[in-house]
Amino acid sequence: DTAVSQTPKYLVTQMGNDKSIKCEQNLGHDTMYWYKQDSKKFLKIMFSYNNKELIINETVPNRFSPKSPDKAHLNLHINSLELGDSAVYFCASSQGGGKLFFGSGTQLSVL
Amino acid sequence: DAKTTQPTSMDCAEGRAANLPCNHSTISGNEYVYWYRQIHSQGPQYIIHGLKNNETNEMASLIITEDRKSSTLILPHATLRDTAVYYCIVAYSGAGSYQLTFGKGTKLSVIP
Repeated sequence: DTAVSQTPKYLVTQMGNDKSIKCEQNLGHDTMYWYKQDSKKFLKIMFSYNNKELIINETVPNRFSPKSPDKAHLNLHINSLELGDSAVYFCASSQGGGKLFFGSGTQLSVL
Repeated sequence: DAKTTQPTSMDCAEGRAANLPCNHSTISGNEYVYWYRQIHSQGPQYIIHGLKNNETNEMASLIITEDRKSSTLILPHATLRDTAVYYCIVAYSGAGSYQLTFGKGTKLSVIP
């Protein structure tokens, strides 16, 4: 079974649309993250949730809203998509510490 | 910004040891050194971490200098599947979660 799973793997959409990326982890971890990897391959943290509570919220446009219905899920909603949002988005989880388990990524293309 | 400096790229012959250096001269006493790698089109994969002492696991060894200003990740017998970008990260704990700041990493190419 996949430890951290994201859906969809690929997402192609038009500017201005609203989309969601789902993430689930079956590791029993308390902390989940969203990272963004841009075209230059820089990997940056966006959000961190610990037991459904927002811990880290980096400088991210408020069009991005994480939602954690329970500690096994952290979904990412993006409103009014822009060309610059095109990137690969990675979900990750950890049980304290810096040993993170990453999902396989969602490649978002905004046309 | 990343607090580490790594070479942009390195080559290693298959079967030989790959030694990846990392400088982290401004590391604080309570910060750990973490290593991750990212194989093309996949999510980053944890390799190993340490605070002061050298560490070894099934994937690699981590050598941290006594002053903790630099470290070396050692892959003892590199295979073609080890070709990836390797990230050295200095991490601190904040409010229950670790904020890992990924730099540019070292692109390791294992050559047959």
